Amino acid sequence: GQQVMQIPQYQHVQEGEDFTTYCNSSTTLSNIQWYKQRPGGHPVFLIQLVKSGEVKKQKRLTFQFGEAKKNSSLHITATQTTDVGTYFCAGALMQGAQKLVFGQGTRLTINP
Amino acid sequence: GAGVSQTPSNKVTEKGKYVELRCDPISGHTALYWYRQSLGQGPEFLIYFQGTGAADDSGLPNDRFFAVRPEGSVSTLKIQRTERGDSAVYLCASSYIGGGTYNEQFFGPGTRLTVL
Repeated sequence: GQQVMQIPQYQHVQEGEDFTTYCNSSTTLSNIQWYKQRPGGHPVFLIQLVKSGEVKKQKRLTFQFGEAKKNSSLHITATQTTDVGTYFCAGALMQGAQKLVFGQGTRLTINP
Repeated sequence: GAGVSQTPSNKVTEKGKYVELRCDPISGHTALYWYRQSLGQGPEFLIYFQGTGAADDSGLPNDRFFAVRPEGSVSTLKIQRTERGDSAVYLCASSYIGGGTYNEQFFGPGTRLTVL
């Protein structure tokens, strides 16, 4: 079945350092979404990418969707303690499909 | 109104028992999803409703799991003959399905199910 893999599983950084998580799918995706889950919380939507090669920015966060629509990345510049949490990518296989396949997440911890 | 709500927040049951988990989506959201999240893992898709009907139930692990949404709003996930492996956080999400592909999902706080 479709698999979405994320690396690294864990990342610990000093506050102010950059952070990147990578997401790879075994199959071409229609779109990819990113979610953030704070410790003890529930996933919260960050962004959706639809187009091949798409890049979107939200303040210090930069999201990319690969040309082949099989991989994606999230990069955070100059991390802050508020960035702590687990970041998940979630892919939709077909256009209009509502079923999302989540990666296993990257847990980010930050040393202040 | 408010966000997605789920009850109970915690459920402890014994192996072999029957449990029901409830989800109240955001008003006006036509789509409702159930996921299961184990510790250290991402949410695992179980079932998706569009209105009252289950549009995709491919994630239900076996016939002990069943979900309903009789009036197109509140949904109940039912688990029969619970097993210890069913222990997880069960997440519900809802979204508004418009004309495009945009389908941001709003998650509830989850129900933590523990099967002893």
